[in-house]
Amino acid sequence: DIQMTQSPSTLSASVGDRVTITCRASQTINNWLAWYQQKPGKAPKLLIYKASNLESGVPSRFSGSGSGTEFTLTISSLQPDDCATYYCQQYNSYLVLTFGGGTKVEIK
Amino acid sequence: EVHLVESGGGLVQPGGSLRLSCAASGFSFSSYAMSWVRQAPGKGLEWVSGISGSGGSTYYADSVKGRFTISRDNSKNTLYLQMNSLRAEDTAVYYCAKAERQWLGHFDHWGQGTLVTVSS
Repeated sequence: DIQMTQSPSTLSASVGDRVTITCRASQTINNWLAWYQQKPGKAPKLLIYKASNLESGVPSRFSGSGSGTEFTLTISSLQPDDCATYYCQQYNSYLVLTFGGGTKVEIK
Repeated sequence: EVHLVESGGGLVQPGGSLRLSCAASGFSFSSYAMSWVRQAPGKGLEWVSGISGSGGSTYYADSVKGRFTISRDNSKNTLYLQMNSLRAEDTAVYYCAKAERQWLGHFDHWGQGTLVTVSS
């Protein structure tokens, strides 16, 4: 199975900061990568699909990049509403889907 | 508007069984693959099982293979998860999630989740 490793597991930043989260796959996933945002007690929400495509309705301060085995989610200017846990998910292997361990983003 | 509503969660003893349902509306249900994703208390997301739009192909995580069965009734726009031989480590919120295509992929809509607690 393809393993997904996210880093860092927690990050603390100030409002307005640029924030970057990294997701590494154990083998190439051909850009079949999605990013989700989850707030406490809520279902996850899709932010980015196919590594860099912004889901409709998601603020443009969110962006995704990367290829092969290394991918990043960037928040260009952190807002208070962005406090959440972020997960990556690979779907290159549609036989078994896998999520990263999550990155909790906090405001300093 | 897409709506996914899970039901069937609850408290069950180890070794017991439970069937979850997910009622879907707002889209052509048979045209999209569906999955179950769970989240243990305080933990991350874990994909559990998926099924193609037609229902002809099913997929499972190793952790549930042989114990859980996913199915769908396209005439009722409903997804199911039959869970047998439940263990304490199956305790989690179970979400149903819609793929954006006929086969498994990323999830563009999620239900609100239903809690399954396995405990004596």
